[in-house]
Amino acid sequence: TQLLEQSPQFLSIQEGENLTVYCNSSSVFSSLQWYRQEPGEGPVLLVTVVTGGEVKKLKRLTFQFGDARKDSSLHITAAQPGDTGLYLCAGARFSGGYNKLIFGAGTRLAVHP
Amino acid sequence: DAMVIQNPRYQVTQFGKPVTLSCSQTLNHNVMYWYQQKSSQAPKLLFHYYDKDFNNEADTPDNFQSRRPNTSFCFLDIRSPGLGDAAMYLCATSTFPGGAYEQYFGPGTRLTVT
Repeated sequence: TQLLEQSPQFLSIQEGENLTVYCNSSSVFSSLQWYRQEPGEGPVLLVTVVTGGEVKKLKRLTFQFGDARKDSSLHITAAQPGDTGLYLCAGARFSGGYNKLIFGAGTRLAVHP
Repeated sequence: DAMVIQNPRYQVTQFGKPVTLSCSQTLNHNVMYWYQQKSSQAPKLLFHYYDKDFNNEADTPDNFQSRRPNTSFCFLDIRSPGLGDAAMYLCATSTFPGGAYEQYFGPGTRLTVT
């Protein structure tokens, strides 16, 4: 069962365009993380959002956590080729006596010069 | 810098030949995780250690085992690798309780089975 729906799955855009990636769930999360992963490397943590309605900015990246803590979005302004990679959202839930990350399927972003 | 280190970065093994992947961390986190990631897919949790307590995911094959001799080190043992076990193996750490439950990943070990 896919508890965290991430869309779109693939995104191919030109340098300078804006884009938004979405993560949606029917479950409430304690927090939600966004990671970027480049080929042959491990995921790198970009941001953690904890409070419903929270907005965080990281240079040209804006992250928002839904009011009900069930969904999140990542918006990139004026995308650059260096933004290319796999973007993963992951929601944290306390399950079975321990904290667990539920991953979305990922959005593969390609930014062309 | 505090970090998660995985060795080797690339590992080739033969079908059925046991292999061990290693992970070490300087973050002093009490939780360590092992994930399997196949091409273009999200990481899949295999198991984790909360301090010395081992927690296996229900769908993790018996072929996969793990050891954590101390806080800093954790090993993934694949007893009899099959072709379907070729993947990227990721180690991650976190601290619990406390924090916002984010996990910090190592660079991964790419396993090839011939």
